[in-house]
Amino acid sequence: GESVGLHLPTLSVQEGDNSIINCAYSNSASDYFIWYKQESGKGPQFIIDIRSNMDKRQGQRVTVLLNKTVKHLSLQIAATQPGDSAVYFCAEFSSGNTPLVFGKGTRLSVIA
Amino acid sequence: DTGVSQDPRHKITKRGQNVTFRCDPISEHNRLYWYRQTLGQGPEFLTYFQNEAQLEKSRLLSDRFSAERPKGSFSTLEIQRTEQGDSAMYLCASSFGQGYEKLFFGSGTQLSVL
Repeated sequence: GESVGLHLPTLSVQEGDNSIINCAYSNSASDYFIWYKQESGKGPQFIIDIRSNMDKRQGQRVTVLLNKTVKHLSLQIAATQPGDSAVYFCAEFSSGNTPLVFGKGTRLSVIA
Repeated sequence: DTGVSQDPRHKITKRGQNVTFRCDPISEHNRLYWYRQTLGQGPEFLTYFQNEAQLEKSRLLSDRFSAERPKGSFSTLEIQRTEQGDSAMYLCASSFGQGYEKLFFGSGTQLSVL
């Protein structure tokens, strides 16, 4: 079946470096995507979203890129900090009345 | 803090017992979602409400699971005759609108079935 997935289960970066977390999706009907951050023992926290009529969106220290041609999504974190250590999930909506579907997540570890 | 609130945070029960969880969404949010998450996995959709109407249930959801949102505000999720495979984090989320809105999650209820 169609699902959201991630290329890498774990990512380790040095503090101050930039991080890139990737996500591949297979549902070509998906047109709204969200990145969530989840710290241990907590629920997912919204980071940034992007709709399919855009290919890039920037927030504070974060940028999401969407490549609809290859069905790929990425989250870039600038100047990664220890507080960025968490599991990151991409999630997709294929329509307004379908539930948000999550991938399996990437664990980001920041090395001080 | 006026975020999504879940109670209890942790629940330990014996196999075969019934459990009930509560979720209080952000007050103006009309949609409320229940997800389940096991270790190392992403949240898995269970069901959602728009106001008091339950609009969708996952096909994976056992008949032992039932959810209610009687007045369109808080919601309860009940699991009857719990099994060890029900052990997971149960997450509640809410949103405002008619779809395509970001979901705001609570901290979840961690269920352990012994």
